[in-house]
Amino acid sequence: GAGVSQSPRYKVTKRGQDVTLRCDPISSHATLYWYQQALGQGPEFLTYFNYEAQPDKSGLPSDRFSAERPEGSISTLTIQRTEQRDSAMYRCASSLLSNTGELFFGEGSRLTVL
Amino acid sequence: SQQGEEDPQALSIQEGENATMNCSYKTSINNLQWYRQNSGRGLVHLILIRSNEREKHSGRLRVTLDTSKKSSSLLITASRAADTASYFCATRGSTLGRLYFGRGTQLTVWP
Repeated sequence: GAGVSQSPRYKVTKRGQDVTLRCDPISSHATLYWYQQALGQGPEFLTYFNYEAQPDKSGLPSDRFSAERPEGSISTLTIQRTEQRDSAMYRCASSLLSNTGELFFGEGSRLTVL
Repeated sequence: SQQGEEDPQALSIQEGENATMNCSYKTSINNLQWYRQNSGRGLVHLILIRSNEREKHSGRLRVTLDTSKKSSSLLITASRAADTASYFCATRGSTLGRLYFGRGTQLTVWP
């Protein structure tokens, strides 16, 4: 696609529910990143993919968080048994290569856990 | 944890003035990038400087990098009200892969 697309833009859920966020990167981009951004803070790294491989998931805050990119294009971030502290903006970005270059960010998915 | 730290946290200037933001980081880097974010929108890449470069220009932007001091600065000349945004530095380490972002500088340019 022309840009990085994320869905849903807004998600409100109750504590304990599972949520899945979706990211559709720029079609020619090999690398895809997930970040978590709290209000007034910078993005915090969660994980990234090179095609379908996931070289680094050390930023995922707990085992309730998981991400997939099974065909090397669209990615999903799943949060199981959501907690109020999971409320944040989740941002996806893609880049041509993992070792250089700029990231192109989507508009983000705002998650609110009640 | 975030590697880069921007200074100041907030900066308020008049249109036409120059704005300077600083970034300090902790470990060796492959490159350092600056991004802008308008009011909760997605981040937009501004400029990238590699570890073997000392200065780079792009339009009204000037970035410097001092690897001995582990610091960078972003200068926006002749600022405009439309430059009002949060500015983040981001570092890519020698192991590549992840990009670390700082907490950002909130720039307000008054008309």
